[in-house]
Amino acid sequence: GEDVEQSLFLSVREGDSSVINCTYTDSSSTYLYWYKQEPGAGLQLLTYIFSNMDMKQDQRLTVLLNKKDKHLSLRIADTQTGDSAIYFCAERYNQGGKLIFGQGTELSVKP
Amino acid sequence: DTGVSQDPRHKITKRGQNVTFRCDPISEHNRLYWYRQTLGQGPEFLTYFQNEAQLEKSRLLSDRFSAERPKGSFSTLEIQRTEQGDSAMYLCASSSGTGGLETQYFGPGTRLLVL
Repeated sequence: GEDVEQSLFLSVREGDSSVINCTYTDSSSTYLYWYKQEPGAGLQLLTYIFSNMDMKQDQRLTVLLNKKDKHLSLRIADTQTGDSAIYFCAERYNQGGKLIFGQGTELSVKP
Repeated sequence: DTGVSQDPRHKITKRGQNVTFRCDPISEHNRLYWYRQTLGQGPEFLTYFQNEAQLEKSRLLSDRFSAERPKGSFSTLEIQRTEQGDSAMYLCASSSGTGGLETQYFGPGTRLLVL
């Protein structure tokens, strides 16, 4: 089946690292994505990882993938107040390319 | 601006009315997707097009919903006889999908409120 799950809330202090977790069910997923959504806005692609990779780093963002456990995480280093938003992980369903999204993790960064 | 655009950004309508939304994808992107997002949830897939062809429709897409992409460029999503449960953000995304890595770029969405 298609299911992606995320914890709903995360609160951190400015300058700390944030880790947002996600689990997915489709073992045939080829790419997994992280999107950011600010209030009232569309989704902004942050990064992605191919399913045969374990880790990907992109500036302050680090994605870790444990394919055995179907667990994906996004680490944001030196979190800033501007990082406050809702973060969605998504798996690309193997057939057709549609994305299956989690329900989103609301990140609150306190000064 | 060469991003995905959607029109209108907001729509308020009365139950039973028909509404139509438009999406203009990034130029030359051959795939176009429609998603629906309700409050506190992630986007849910509705349908997608490759060029003019509508290749997949979700079970969420009742017979009151119809989508078109007549010339393989812009797309419209029409909802007939709107219901209060249709209130949501309707998101459009486009990609140059050819298999392998496919990055979907999202528009700002159309927020629909059915009274």
